[in-house]
Amino acid sequence: GEDVEQSLFLSVREGDSSVINCTYTDSSSTYLYWYKQEPGAGLQLLTYIFSNMDMKQDQRLTVLLNKKDKHLSLRIADTQTGDSAIYFCAESKRGSQGNLIFGKGTKLSVKP
Amino acid sequence: ETGVTQSPTHLIKTRGQQVTLRCSSQSGHNTVSWYQQALGQGPQFIFQYYREEENGRGNFPPRFSGLQFPNYSSELNVNALELDDSALYLCASSLTSGGAGSYNEQFFGPGTRLTVL
Repeated sequence: GEDVEQSLFLSVREGDSSVINCTYTDSSSTYLYWYKQEPGAGLQLLTYIFSNMDMKQDQRLTVLLNKKDKHLSLRIADTQTGDSAIYFCAESKRGSQGNLIFGKGTKLSVKP
Repeated sequence: ETGVTQSPTHLIKTRGQQVTLRCSSQSGHNTVSWYQQALGQGPQFIFQYYREEENGRGNFPPRFSGLQFPNYSSELNVNALELDDSALYLCASSLTSGGAGSYNEQFFGPGTRLTVL
């Protein structure tokens, strides 16, 4: 199966919170990442978390990591229309930080 | 400080042809990674170059090859193009300076959109 899995679509109303979920399979992952990709653009790193952490907060973004269940989530508070994009979960493993393994991405649509 | 740049932006080729894509890494970075992103998919790791040598490779055939130059810029070459090679090719640069467990953020370029007819 896929190393990293995500649901493909999420639709929310402006001002609500969005929660994007991801599962991964490799317990040796050292870092887990969330990237944002807008149409026609490259990837923008939003945030990352080291595998020995449970939570990381950065302004409107909260990352939760459950190592036991190999589950990662990204919560976006007060979602805005400008947050509409595809969000990718990715992992890297010890000794190969250059090799990011990505999920297929979750398309977030924010309705006004 | 300039970011990661890639050229060309778009490219159309026919099956069997060869293509070279270029990437200039961010100032101060010494490592370049290449990814292929097919439509509707996440990026897939092709290979990484560090100090002008290949430093890790994904599940891609030998007709995908690369180079890194002394100024840390890089090229991706694809021979004998196939229809399935149509994708967005992303380059990412980073600074490798720590040990195996250290964090080295990758900065992505805007990509080159390759269409193979």
